[in-house]
Amino acid sequence: QVQLQESGPGLVKPSQTLSLTCTVSGGSISSGGYYWSWIRQHPGKGLEWIGYIYYSGSTYYNPSLKSRVTISVDTSKNQFSLKLSSVTAADTAVYYCARLWFGEGNWFDPWGQGTLVTVSS
Amino acid sequence: DIQMTQSPSSLSASVGDRVTITCRASQSISSYLNWYQQKPGKAPKLLIYAASSLQSGVPSRFSGSGSGTDFTLTISSLQPEDFATYYCQQSYSTPPIFTFGPGTKVDIK
Repeated sequence: QVQLQESGPGLVKPSQTLSLTCTVSGGSISSGGYYWSWIRQHPGKGLEWIGYIYYSGSTYYNPSLKSRVTISVDTSKNQFSLKLSSVTAADTAVYYCARLWFGEGNWFDPWGQGTLVTVSS
Repeated sequence: DIQMTQSPSSLSASVGDRVTITCRASQSISSYLNWYQQKPGKAPKLLIYAASSLQSGVPSRFSGSGSGTDFTLTISSLQPEDFATYYCQQSYSTPPIFTFGPGTKVDIK
């Protein structure tokens, strides 16, 4: 059973770069057939998709965040990562990683437990 | 961009009640609609994919229906563990841009 776990700093200063890693266990990122995604949730708010990556390195980002987002993959460590540059308080959120299934519905399953990142000086 | 709305935004119900939540897309999304359940402090959990397919391990009291612009999530007999917030999610465009509805909070009457 595939499980995902986010890790990274819980506090980032304004204008700096937020960096998070998602470690996948119980399955290989390189096995193909799935994409790997980041999603965030502002405190008390709804869900916002950030972007996804395939094990080959192919990516696609939410146009609203595209200029600041980089998602990368390290197949040797079975991990994928998120970098969000020039952060402000508006980037304070719980960040989730999830496996993305491309089918008729294109759905996210499973999800990591999430990690809260606060942007503050 | 495709916008998603949900109604109601919240509802109060009793154990055993039949609950229906509606999700509407601003344009046709075929069956590219999924439903998630989120409990406080937890990650969302997939319930229904492709509008009406029940995810493995999800109780059969959950069902989904609809296509085009109007979709419904139904809980046939509400259980104590079902009190949560429910989100719909679409991804119809190519390449897909994933958007979520604003959520429907189900709490105890």
